[in-house]
Amino acid sequence: DTGVSQDPRHKITKRGQNVTFRCDPISEHNRLYWYRQTLGQGPEFLTYFQNEAQLEKSRLLSDRFSAERPKGSFSTLEIQRTEQGDSAMYLCASSPGERSNTEAFFGQGTRLTVV
Amino acid sequence: AQSVAQPEDQVNVAEGNPLTVKCTYSVSGNPYLFWYVQYPNRGLQFLLKYITGDNLVKGSYGFEAEFNKSQTSFHLKKPSALVSDSALYFCAVRDSDLGGYQKVTFGTGTKLQVIP
Repeated sequence: DTGVSQDPRHKITKRGQNVTFRCDPISEHNRLYWYRQTLGQGPEFLTYFQNEAQLEKSRLLSDRFSAERPKGSFSTLEIQRTEQGDSAMYLCASSPGERSNTEAFFGQGTRLTVV
Repeated sequence: AQSVAQPEDQVNVAEGNPLTVKCTYSVSGNPYLFWYVQYPNRGLQFLLKYITGDNLVKGSYGFEAEFNKSQTSFHLKKPSALVSDSALYFCAVRDSDLGGYQKVTFGTGTKLQVIP
């Protein structure tokens, strides 16, 4: 399967714990995005990488959130000191090239439940 | 600022009938417009996009969408609905005229229910 891969698919954690999610984009896609989706809402942009550079961060991304993309390949999203409000589906997407009119390819998401 | 509105939370249509899922947008420049579909517990799948050119865009699974600049709309259509089309549909927009990276803004989604 050459699609966007996310791990884990589901994560249940206790409030206050740290969690880390991984995203493997489609090979050779230089753009990578993280979105958050809550029930009844569309995906909300969190952050964007072009290769290894994090070029844009949403105000939704508080200081408890950090994302990395070492070497411009896979990416990780870490949430520290999780809160119940962090419960959501976290979606990763990638797209090729330099043009902003290309569509993004999404992974299946990581569903986080904070109890 | 850019925004997308999907005025219907849910659309019900009988199998075999034509379907329309509505989307209106707001951008300060020219829009890039996208439709995605999401099945339960899955990520989003790209259906089609409008970048420039012909206002009628054809996409995957027999879907098409019509760009209407005067009405700032990009409604998704299909001539004959299938039960397997039942899913959550998202419209998205990006302002093409702004420099640098501009994120895509998604609508809140419309649940399509095709009734056998």
